[in-house]
Amino acid sequence: DTEVTQTPKHLVMGMTNKKSLKCEQHMGHRAMYWYKQKAKKPPELMFVYSYEKLSINESVPSRFSPECPNSSLLNLHLHALQPEDSALYLCASRRTGEIDEQYFGPGTRLTVT
Amino acid sequence: SQQGEEDPQALSIQEGENATMNCSYKTSINNLQWYRQNSGRGLVHLILIRSNEREKHSGRLRVTLDTSKKSSSLLITASRAADTASYFCATNRRWSGGGADGLTFGKGTHLIIQP
Repeated sequence: DTEVTQTPKHLVMGMTNKKSLKCEQHMGHRAMYWYKQKAKKPPELMFVYSYEKLSINESVPSRFSPECPNSSLLNLHLHALQPEDSALYLCASRRTGEIDEQYFGPGTRLTVT
Repeated sequence: SQQGEEDPQALSIQEGENATMNCSYKTSINNLQWYRQNSGRGLVHLILIRSNEREKHSGRLRVTLDTSKKSSSLLITASRAADTASYFCATNRRWSGGGADGLTFGKGTHLIIQP
């Protein structure tokens, strides 16, 4: 199984809502990532988890709250988002050891109204 | 800040022709990777070249790396309509604290293959 899955595929939420994005992989990868991609722009790193611990937070606003409950699952909790947070949110994972390729999920397209 | 910068930003060629995309970066790297993205979906890893390598091939793909110029190129030979996509170069940084890394992507080249 070389797949990273993300749910939901699409999400529309109001600025006062609380929602969560989910990412799952069963490749035994112990590094997992959240990226944000605005239209016609490259992905930008948000968070990195290594062995279920948050290693990197790229100065992301606190309205985005990541969580890694186990080695297969990565969540991104959303609260009080702004319309400018509308974007494609991509999850990725990588095997540990020598740095090499990341495996990306299909993304969640988020629209904040 | 953007680590990698691709050019051209858009490229349209006829099926069967070769496509070349270039990428420049600013800091020291462990490796440089190329990814493809179809229509705003997930990214697919194409090829990785390490900092001590100069050229690498994978099928119809050829990547070169010039660390003295901090640049890389991706060549796709005998292009097909299915190669229509956005192509991004990406570099790894290591953060202090060990182990963790993250990709920094270039702006990307949007490639269109005309049938």
